[in-house]
Amino acid sequence: NAGVTQTPKFQVLKTGQSMTLQCAQDMNHNSMYWYRQDPGMGLRLIYYSASEGTTDKGEVPNGYNVSRLNKREFSLRLESAAPSQTSVYFCASRQAMNTEAFFGQGTRLTVV
Amino acid sequence: TQLLEQSPQFLSIQEGENLTVYCNSSSVFSSLQWYRQEPGEGPVLLVTVVTGGEVKKLKRLTFQFGDARKDSSLHITAAQPGDTGLYLCAGTPVSNDYKLSFGAGTTVTVRA
Repeated sequence: NAGVTQTPKFQVLKTGQSMTLQCAQDMNHNSMYWYRQDPGMGLRLIYYSASEGTTDKGEVPNGYNVSRLNKREFSLRLESAAPSQTSVYFCASRQAMNTEAFFGQGTRLTVV
Repeated sequence: TQLLEQSPQFLSIQEGENLTVYCNSSSVFSSLQWYRQEPGEGPVLLVTVVTGGEVKKLKRLTFQFGDARKDSSLHITAAQPGDTGLYLCAGTPVSNDYKLSFGAGTTVTVRA
C-alpha cells in the first residue's frame, strides 16, 4: 500500500533555482493538497485541487505554482527559489469533504 | 493569520495528569478534525467531528465540537508518555467544501 508518495525526500537549492516537487496517490482520491510546515506554524495550505482539472490558491500561494496532471498526480513548482521557502513540504489527498486526509512522508527543502 | 487558532502552543505534563488542547476560529466549519504527527512523519487522523455539540471518545481521548461549529477541544485523561507528539486541528469551512486548513499545532510532552 503506497498511499501518497512524494519525491524527492530531501533537496538543497541555491537561491534563484527552480524545481518541481512530485506527489502521487494511488487511492483514487478526488482532492489533493500541498502544505508547508515551519516550526510553530503548523501546516499552511499552499494550493489545493478539488478534483482533476481544477486548482485553487490556499493561504500562502506566492512563489509557487501547481499542476494537477491527472487524478493521481499533483505537482508543486518553485520557479525561483528563495531562502524563505526553506521548509518541509507535505502533499495530502482525500476522497471528499469530512473524510480523512492521507499524507506523504514530506520533502525537506533547503534554499541557500 | 491562520484560520484556526490552537492553544496552548506547548504543553508539558507529568504522566497521569490530564490535559486539554483548544482549537478556535471566527469561521463556521462543516467539520473539524484532529491529527497527530510524529517527528519525520506526516499527520495521522485521530477523529472527525461534524455535528455541533458532538462529543467523541477514543479510549482516553475526548473530542468536542462547539455548538456553533466554530471551535473544538481535545482532552486527554491520565496522559501517558506515548501520548507525546504534535496535535493539529484541521477544518473544512462551510464556505468551501474542498479546503482543509490547519491550526499551528500543540506540542505535547508527557514526562514519565
